[in-house]
Amino acid sequence: EAQVTQNPRYLITVTGKKLTVTCSQNMNHEYMSWYRQDPGLGLRQIYYSMNVEVTDKGDVPEGYKVSRKEKRNFPLILESPSPNQTSLYFCASSFNPPTGRDTEAFFGQGTRLTVV
Amino acid sequence: KNQVEQSPQSLIILEGKNCTLQCNYTVSPFSNLRWYKQDTGRGPVSLTIMTFSENTKSNGRYTATLDADTKQSSLHITASQLSDSASYICVVSSFATSGTYKYIFGTGTRLKVLA
Repeated sequence: EAQVTQNPRYLITVTGKKLTVTCSQNMNHEYMSWYRQDPGLGLRQIYYSMNVEVTDKGDVPEGYKVSRKEKRNFPLILESPSPNQTSLYFCASSFNPPTGRDTEAFFGQGTRLTVV
Repeated sequence: KNQVEQSPQSLIILEGKNCTLQCNYTVSPFSNLRWYKQDTGRGPVSLTIMTFSENTKSNGRYTATLDADTKQSSLHITASQLSDSASYICVVSSFATSGTYKYIFGTGTRLKVLA
């Protein structure tokens, strides 16, 4: 089954304790991205990756890191989490970046992170 | 500033009724527009994708329209079912300065269908 898998689904952590949220896709997609979703705001892009070893900042990259060592995996790293990073996080993948043609993005199930 | 605004913010209807959700955008240049359905606690799932030249597209009981001149889109749900209860997100694709297109998300309309 084609899917994007995130882990964990729920996470409560303390300020400053490094954490990693994993994302894996089995569709051989080149483009992957991370979003956060907060009440009253649309999804906002944190980082994206065009391919292996190619990553770039999205709209809200501060406080986050990513890596793309393999095509299928795109982990999100919070080196020193703070309470303002409490949010619902989604990983997404697609064959190509958003282009003029139909390029459907597949989203993971989400990771609800609480930083206390 | 590129923005996508949706209305209403929330909507409650009775099962079997029709409803229409609105999306207005001020995004330029425009590439395409998508509607996503997001069930509570789950990731968004694509319903329709429309490019500049398309003004209507259907997916079962969901019909999306696009007026590129007025920069408006609507999502019409026919004969609603309890399973239609979800948030519906309008997403416009635009050209980013990095040389790629990017998504601009609306805040969504939360639909509740009552039995």
